[in-house]
Amino acid sequence: DVKVTQSSRYLVKRTGEKVFLECVQDMDHENMFWYRQDPGLGLRLIYFSYDVKMKEKGDIPEGYSVSREKKERFSLILESASTNQTSMYLCASSRPVQETQYFGPGTRLLVL
Amino acid sequence: AQSVAQPEDQVNVAEGNPLTVKCTYSVSGNPYLFWYVQYPNRGLQFLLKYITGDNLVKGSYGFEAEFNKSQTSFHLKKPSALVSDSALYFCAVRDYGQNFVFGPGTRLSVLP
Repeated sequence: DVKVTQSSRYLVKRTGEKVFLECVQDMDHENMFWYRQDPGLGLRLIYFSYDVKMKEKGDIPEGYSVSREKKERFSLILESASTNQTSMYLCASSRPVQETQYFGPGTRLLVL
Repeated sequence: AQSVAQPEDQVNVAEGNPLTVKCTYSVSGNPYLFWYVQYPNRGLQFLLKYITGDNLVKGSYGFEAEFNKSQTSFHLKKPSALVSDSALYFCAVRDYGQNFVFGPGTRLSVLP
């Protein structure tokens, strides 16, 4: 079974703090993705990575950065958290030619 | 640009009745279409996909979906709904690259 884990299920941070969200997958997948999920908007892609040290901007990269130093780990960084970044963050992974994405359980972030 | 529409925010159905969750899409070229389900406080789980071949695709938990090219639709169906099917359902299309575009989601409530 593919397993994608995220470092925290719930997180509360203050405005201006630097926030790290970590995602680890155990199936040697090349592709990894970060989404945020907001009611009525579905999932929106923040960043993705096709290989170690590679990253590409998604639809809403502003205010975020990512790091992929190892194949199994993909980190999302909020450089200076703001209240409009309060959301559910979902990590996913997949193989390059495999169509299905596998999702982690999500991190619900509240920025006060 | 690829897009996915789910015209209903909410679908209510009585247990034992058939259910349909609607999805329409816009994509260049041949579509790769997916349905995912999200239970409360969980990540997304893959249900089924259409890549090519038979227009009727069968997936997990008794769900199926019908690809209709002329109507650019990919509606999710189940002959007999269960209370445990109550969840948030997402339709997604994969573009010519490796990325997914998700619809806004439809909340399904199955009433006992």
